[in-house]
Parts: sequence; C-alpha cells; structure tokens
Amino acid sequence: NAGVMQNPRHLVRRRGQEARLRCSPMKGHSHVYWYRQLPEEGLKFMVYLQKENIIDESGMPKERFSAEFPKEGPSILRIQQVVRGDSAAYFCASSYTWGTDTQYFGPGTRLTVL
Amino acid sequence: RKEVEQDPGPFNVPEGATVAFNCTYSNSASQSFFWYRQDCRKEPKLLMSVYSSGNEDGRFTAQLNRASQYISLLIRDSKLSDSATYLCVVNSGNTPLVFGKGTRLSVIA
Repeated sequence: NAGVMQNPRHLVRRRGQEARLRCSPMKGHSHVYWYRQLPEEGLKFMVYLQKENIIDESGMPKERFSAEFPKEGPSILRIQQVVRGDSAAYFCASSYTWGTDTQYFGPGTRLTVL
Repeated sequence: RKEVEQDPGPFNVPEGATVAFNCTYSNSASQSFFWYRQDCRKEPKLLMSVYSSGNEDGRFTAQLNRASQYISLLIRDSKLSDSATYLCVVNSGNTPLVFGKGTRLSVIA
C-alpha cells in the first residue's frame, strides 16, 4: 500500500524559472494539503484541495503560486518566476476525510533556487 | 501570541532517561491534537494522537489539558533512535493543521 508520493525529491531552479511539484495522495484519499518548511522553521499550511477544487488557499502567497488537483493525475504545486526565498522543503499530505482526520505526509520536495 | 508554542530545545538526555515536552495552543476551539516526529530532512510522521483522557503507546504518553490549553509528551527509557524533532500539531476541525516549530531531542549514549 503505497504512501503519499512526491516528485521530484530534489529540484534546482535558477531565479525566474518555474517549479512544478507533484503529489500523489495515498490510495483512497481524496484530500490533499501542501505545506512549506523553511530552514529552521515549522511547517506552514499553504493550500487544501479536493479533486478539481481548491477548498482553502489561505496560506498561499498571492502571487506566483498556484495549485491544482485534477480529476485524473497528481496534485501539482506550481511556482512561477522563482526567487531565492522560495528555497524550502515542500511537503504534501493526504487524508481520507476533512476535519480532524489524520494527515499522512509525503517525503517532500526540496527546492533550491540559485 | 503564536498559535502553537513549543520550547525549541535542544533537550540532550542520556539513554534510559525520561524526558517531557510541553506545548501550548491559543485557539480554544481546537478539537484534535497530535504529536508528530520529524527526523532531519525527512517528512513528519504521526507519533500519536492526543485524547482528552490521556493516552499511552509503549514508552510514550500524551496528555491534554483543555482548561490550560496545554499538551504534553512523555518519553520513558529514551533510546538513541528517539533523537528527532517532535512537533505539536493542533486542528480546529474546519481549519488547517497548525504546527509548532518543534522541540529537538538528542539522546546520548
């Protein structure tokens, strides 16, 4: 039973390029969450999605960041025109239901912006 | 006041020691509470949920005090493999999980 999968595990981009991070939730889970962890910081919620819907994006920066969870395929977190401050670990989590249900995390994507 | 506050540590303890971590949360409407463990450069992994009556899982005991908005984690007979960062996590049901910054534990031989 595969857990939450994320790819790539490591991503290097130059300033101004685009970064695409992918997340496949655990089998049977239809709720996906993205978190960002800056060096020496705690995890910060970014966005919560269900299939084809963004439910809560209160933690997403207003510009350059977007997320989707299409009917088919993985959830994608897209960062346009990356800057050095975007360098962080991006974790995806999934759950079976919303609310108080346990979230299970993927291994993360470490983004480095040169 | 931060939503979830933890002592960052580090806590350096010898093998076999008992160590306790505390966490306070600001949202009185919080409904679910968890302790996650995060190893260096890895993803957080659920250690245990925290129930109102308190709960135990082997060497780990979690307690919740709703009146004081306070959660604790007790680790008995510490092992080298317990070395990690322990994250206090709070959920209010209709809001995202809120993570503390974590408490770093180093168990020393």
